Amino acid sequence: DADVTQTPRNRITKTGKRIMLECSQTKGHDRMYWYRQDPGLGLRLIYYSFDVKDINKGEISDGYSVSRQAQAKFSLSLESAIPNQTALYFCATSDTSGNEQFFGPGTRLTVL
Amino acid sequence: SQQGEEDPQALSIQEGENATMNCSYKTSINNLQWYRQNSGRGLVHLILIRSNEREKHSGRLRVTLDTSKKSSSLLITASRAADTASYFCATDLSGSARQLTFGSGTQLTVLP
Repeated sequence: DADVTQTPRNRITKTGKRIMLECSQTKGHDRMYWYRQDPGLGLRLIYYSFDVKDINKGEISDGYSVSRQAQAKFSLSLESAIPNQTALYFCATSDTSGNEQFFGPGTRLTVL
Repeated sequence: SQQGEEDPQALSIQEGENATMNCSYKTSINNLQWYRQNSGRGLVHLILIRSNEREKHSGRLRVTLDTSKKSSSLLITASRAADTASYFCATDLSGSARQLTFGSGTQLTVLP
């Protein structure tokens, strides 16, 4: 979905490195989410934000941090990457109804 | 553990046939949503059914919800090769501040 963009699309890094994944949206939505997807496990929520001053932990926040720099931008950081953080990461947005989430194209992260 | 569990995990059918996927969940919900994911891409919202609704249609999609059994089904009629994708149910739990919890998905393959 061109309205939600993620950078980079692919990243290979080494254990212990700090990594930042960025998400931008032009949908004007207040709510933004970060998920990770592992094979056979569906999506799991890492962090979510309902506005610029709001940050909430999801199901699997350990080892991750986020920053909501503006309504349109939500970044996910891995302070010290480890191999089991190898996964596909998705950013999503929704309006205040939360009825439908709009997903970015994903970032494939490999930690060696 | 996952809130939503899809069944079957994988389904292979011939073009023109109907495809039925099921989702079971564990706790009370505000609504249940179905998403499609083409290989390696972001999820796309298909349809939402609220907890007070029993059936909903959208084009070739038909969704049912049975809150007494905590289950939902997604029917795709007259399937096409382009319907090949993974399908996920996502539940908006009661009192969850509008977070979605995703199941592990059904991989549908439609053979031409």
